[in-house]
Amino acid sequence: QSVLTQPPSASGTPGQRVTISCSGSSSSIGSNTVNWYQHVPGTAPELLIYSDDQRPSGVPDRFSGSKSGTSASLAISELQSEDEADYYCAAWDDSLNGVLFGGGTRLTVL
Amino acid sequence: EVQLVESGGGLVQPGGSLRLSCAASGFIFSDYWMSWVRQAPGKGLEWVANIKQDGSHTYYVDSLKGRFTISRDNAKKSLYLQLNSLRAEDTAVYYCARFRGRGWFDPWGQGTLVTVSS
Repeated sequence: QSVLTQPPSASGTPGQRVTISCSGSSSSIGSNTVNWYQHVPGTAPELLIYSDDQRPSGVPDRFSGSKSGTSASLAISELQSEDEADYYCAAWDDSLNGVLFGGGTRLTVL
Repeated sequence: EVQLVESGGGLVQPGGSLRLSCAASGFIFSDYWMSWVRQAPGKGLEWVANIKQDGSHTYYVDSLKGRFTISRDNAKKSLYLQLNSLRAEDTAVYYCARFRGRGWFDPWGQGTLVTVSS
């Protein structure tokens, strides 16, 4: 089954560093780049990271992405209250010939 | 400023149809693949469909093939999604997005809500 698996929740206090994982397969993350999105409910999702580790202009360097094998991670350093949102990974899947999204991780800033 | 604005959502009965539109501005629409992504209440994001720059190629999530149709009008800088044989489980916010390839969507519109209910 082609899925991207993320933890449903994560949390941290202001100033901390948190990481969110995304686990896929050889046909998804193992063969294609990973992208990350931030989504505050009721607003448009926003691109945070593309092509595994690239930040679009305007995205703070507190956000970083990495990938190894069939897994990827999003790291958020110097956590701020405004980072509270849902985070999704996404990647193309060669066996499905389509895009897979992870189930999303809700980040709470305590 | 690159902008995408969806419209056409609303309340529709099971088995009914709806056509969603997405108006693009701030970029050369005909240069890009475009996509629809949806989010059901309390659920995550789900990719729905992609369409090539000239409309010659389209891709759909397997579960929706045959009921939904993506199309575009480059002269009007508009993207469309025709939703047929709607079911309660199609209730979702539908987002239009510019597709940069390999799961890379940027930017996204604000979304339009489709509610399927009797």
